[in-house]
Formats: sequence, C-alpha cells, structure tokens
Amino acid sequence: EAGVAQSPRYKIIEKRQSVAFWCNPISGHATLYWYQQILGQGPKLLIQFQNNGVVDDSQLPKDRFSAERLKGVDSTLKIQPAKLEDSAVYLCASSLGGGVSYNEQFFGPGTRLTVL
Amino acid sequence: DQQVKQNSPSLSVQEGRISILNCDYTNSMFDYFLWYKKYPAEGPTFLISISSIKDKNEDGRFTVFLNKSAKHLSLHIVPSQPGDSAVYFCAASGSSGDKLTFGTGTRLAVRP
Repeated sequence: EAGVAQSPRYKIIEKRQSVAFWCNPISGHATLYWYQQILGQGPKLLIQFQNNGVVDDSQLPKDRFSAERLKGVDSTLKIQPAKLEDSAVYLCASSLGGGVSYNEQFFGPGTRLTVL
Repeated sequence: DQQVKQNSPSLSVQEGRISILNCDYTNSMFDYFLWYKKYPAEGPTFLISISSIKDKNEDGRFTVFLNKSAKHLSLHIVPSQPGDSAVYFCAASGSSGDKLTFGTGTRLAVRP
C-alpha cells in the first residue's frame, strides 16, 4: 500500500514570495490533515478536511494561508505572502475517517520550507 | 498553552537497557493517547496507543502506561536497540474527533 505522498520535499523562498505544497493521501482515506512543525516543537494542526469539506481550520492563519482539497483526494496548501516565521516542516497526514471516534493518522515525509 | 508536555528533550540509554519516555497532559477531555516515532527527514510513524479506559497497553518491546489521576503517561522500551534512536512524540485526542495535540518530542539515543 502506497503511503502519503508530498511534494516538493524542500523549498527555499524569500519573504513575501508565495509557495504551494501538494499532498496525495492514502487511497480511500477520507480525512486529510496539514500540520506545521517548527524546529524544536511538535506538529501543530493547521487544517483538517473530511472528504472535500473543512472540519477544523481554527489554527490556520487565514490572512496568508489557504488550503483546498478538490474532489476529496489531493490537497494543496498555499502561503502568500510568506514570512520568516513560516520556516518549518509542513506535514500532510491522512486517516480513514468516516465517523469513527479515533483513527490512526499516517504521515507523509513532509516539505521543509525555508524563508529567507 | 501547551496541553501536552514532554519535559525531557533528550534521553540516552545503553543498548539492552530500558528506555522510559514521559508525557504529561493538562486537558481532562483527552481520552486517547498515542506515541509516534520520527526519524530525520521522515514523517512521524505511529508506534502505540492507549485508550483512557485502560492503564496499560503492550506491543512487543513497547509498553505504554497511563495514570489518569496524575494526567501522565509513559512509554517503556525493553530492551532498547540502536534502531530505536529517534524522536518520540506523545499525542492526545479528545472524544469529539481525531484531532491530535502533540508534545514537543524527546530525542532518544541508544548507545551500542
């Protein structure tokens, strides 16, 4: 079974530029998550999708971050414009979802973003 | 507000000995707890979990203990192996869904 795929693996941009990350979850997984992991910290949830609907985006900085999950499969996370403090690893995860109270989350390898 | 805390940023143990990683939480609404393991340049991988209705769950060399009254859980690895060297994250979830709140991680080094 293929795991969660993410691209690119690394990205370096200058502040005020825009950047986009892509995620392809495990086939059949209804729930998709984007996490931000700043160096020395644990992953922090940015947004959670159930199929193509948003379940939780309470910690997403909506003035600069946006995410979409068209057709309930792949997802993109965009930052525009980027700030220095956005330097982090962006992790995508997926789970079966479907109303079960808990589902194990499977993580992709992440995209390491450096903002100069 | 750090709801899940891992107060030890690092731990070093000898191969074959026991590794004990600790985690504390503040939110009494958490009812499911997990440990994830992370190698460099990879995403976290699920290791073991425990429901709040239990106080112990064992899977091979890994055992998780939960003390609800103290809001504390620990991960025991026996015997420790060099391949266990990684960063271990404690995470918690509430009954309303599967949103995970992570701790800051503990870096385990197992010396040959």
